[in-house]
Amino acid sequence: RKEVEQDPGPFNVPEGATVAFNCTYSNSASQSFFWYRQDCRKEPKLLMSVYSSGNEDGRFTAQLNRASQYISLLIRDSKLSDSATYLCVVNGNQAGTALIFGKGTTLSVSS
Amino acid sequence: DAGVTQSPTHLIKTRGQQVTLRCSPKSGHDTVSWYQQALGQGPQFIFQYYEEEERQRGNFPDRFSGHQFPNYSSELNVNALLLGDSALYLCASSFSRNQPQHFGDGTRLSIL
Repeated sequence: RKEVEQDPGPFNVPEGATVAFNCTYSNSASQSFFWYRQDCRKEPKLLMSVYSSGNEDGRFTAQLNRASQYISLLIRDSKLSDSATYLCVVNGNQAGTALIFGKGTTLSVSS
Repeated sequence: DAGVTQSPTHLIKTRGQQVTLRCSPKSGHDTVSWYQQALGQGPQFIFQYYEEEERQRGNFPDRFSGHQFPNYSSELNVNALLLGDSALYLCASSFSRNQPQHFGDGTRLSIL
């Protein structure tokens, strides 16, 4: 089983749509969780950290379910500029800080 | 305030050669991590440096080595290059080991 698994997509949605990405992780000792965004041939950029209570940043909502080892990202009112690959990321274990990335989910928003 | 900077941007090498990639962390950051991203894959952790020592290492062979300098900048060295080493190499820095990591633009390495 891969350490971090994501649906690779692609997700093709019209502007204004709501889209949800899911991710599962295998290491129950993981302590930190993130969503990164990566544009084509660019570096990953931190989109948001994910907290147990769930957190929201504008149109983006992230949720964590530790019992199910499941992370989600919801994007509301999609914009053309949201087109990118979204990477689910966890830290390796309690003592380590190495980031373990999923393969990413590709989102394409069209007008 | 400069972010994470990496050099060179692009590099072409042949099999068997050696390469050194460089990274300057974001101002105020003391921890540097290196990642390898093959086409169509997520980044894979190579190793992390803190206080000039390798603190954590991913599943990469000894051909991959690194160094961190007193000014927190870092180098990644790869010996005996293989075709499979062709990838985007990303450097990430953070303020201490448990803070979010910020990535540089990466070095795109092609092996012929």
